[in-house]
Amino acid sequence: AQKITQTQPGMFVQEKEAVTLDCTYDTSDPSYGLFWYKQPSSGEMIFLIYQGSYDQQNATEGRYSLNFQKARKSANLVISASQLGDSAMYFCAMSVEYGNKLVFGAGTILRVKS
Amino acid sequence: GAGVSQSPSNKVTEKGKDVELRCDPISGHTALYWYRQSLGQGLEFLIYFQGNSAPDKSGLPSDRFSAERTGGSVSTLTIQRTQQEDSAVYLCASSPTLMQQETQYFGPGTRLLVL
Repeated sequence: AQKITQTQPGMFVQEKEAVTLDCTYDTSDPSYGLFWYKQPSSGEMIFLIYQGSYDQQNATEGRYSLNFQKARKSANLVISASQLGDSAMYFCAMSVEYGNKLVFGAGTILRVKS
Repeated sequence: GAGVSQSPSNKVTEKGKDVELRCDPISGHTALYWYRQSLGQGLEFLIYFQGNSAPDKSGLPSDRFSAERTGGSVSTLTIQRTQQEDSAVYLCASSPTLMQQETQYFGPGTRLLVL
């Protein structure tokens, strides 16, 4: 069975500093995708970044980068230069089985302090 | 460039009533997904459509839940004889195809409260 584990229920970071949100996954499928979504208090799910299991390089999207360590089955999200608007819930998710569903972690609440 | 839309945005109903939740995917997206998010929790997968077909309904919590999609576009999630434990945010997402690397784009959700 596929599973996503996010061990940090909540995180604080000072504005302009970098923060790492942890995500580990479990699957026996050789092909899978890893996603990070942001959910502000308004409730919408905003796609941030994607990493494929066969991608050789870590994904980057602006201030977001994904630290993909395949042997450790981890896919941590790094947010550089945190902004107050980054305060939100962050979900790690995995797609398997021909992408027909996403399995989500429990999420991490990030609070950026000024 | 409209995104995924869902209606209603909020629904309050009495226990035992039926409700219908609607999802309008991004135009041209063949894959459509329904998820449920209980308060403070992650998302729970319910069902997906490829075109109008839903090959796997095992994610639906009970036989009170059903979903359909018509014309490869709009989808309706129906909950019959609602129970208080059905209270949650129901999120719809769509993607261009079912390919694993495709991003799923989410709608704003329908917040369902069963009294």
